[in-house]
Amino acid sequence: EVQLVESGGGLVKPGGSLRLSCAASGFTFSNAWMSWVRQAPGKGLEWVGRIKSQTDGGTAEYAAPVKGRFTMSRDDSKNTLYLQTNSLKTDDTAVYYCTTWYSGSYFASDYWGQGTLVTVSS
Amino acid sequence: DIQVTQSPSSLSASVGDRVTITCRASQSISSSFNWYQQKAGKAPKLLIYAASSLQSGVPSRFSGSGSGTDFTLTISSLQPEDFATYYCQQSYSTPVTFGQGTKLEI
Repeated sequence: EVQLVESGGGLVKPGGSLRLSCAASGFTFSNAWMSWVRQAPGKGLEWVGRIKSQTDGGTAEYAAPVKGRFTMSRDDSKNTLYLQTNSLKTDDTAVYYCTTWYSGSYFASDYWGQGTLVTVSS
Repeated sequence: DIQVTQSPSSLSASVGDRVTITCRASQSISSSFNWYQQKAGKAPKLLIYAASSLQSGVPSRFSGSGSGTDFTLTISSLQPEDFATYYCQQSYSTPVTFGQGTKLEI
């Protein structure tokens, strides 16, 4: 069974940082491209970014609102995806979901974690 | 960036109704299009990928169609558990973009 478990969310002041983690199991994590999607309270879904598998180059791409402030990384030895969030703004308040993105056939978020809430407030 | 426009934003329907939700992409994206269902307080769930392929475990009353710029999600006969919010998504290029969502209500 595929499982994605996010952690690391919490309350942080504007300008602060948090590192979100996503522990993956039930599939070959090293072969998978992964993504982060966020959802502000009462709002729709917003793509944050995606990271390729190391085999495919391991590079990350980001949405414009987070580019330069957020960094995705992965540790395939630990089956864990990370999202380092810096210079946080109140607009970054959201539930952050980790998802699978591409496993060789099509681009879609097949599997989602339960989400971790990040609240940016003074 | 590719914009995705979803309509309607909300929809009232009854059990047994046939329902259609549409999305339009701002440029041609072949069949790189997905649909998700989200229930209150839960993570979204993939329903349809590549415009018309039914994700494993999803009931056959859900179907997707379209290519190019216009896409449709159809629920053939609404069941009580289908009342939720639905999102479309283009996966043709980054940044990946979602539609604004359709809240399906009784």
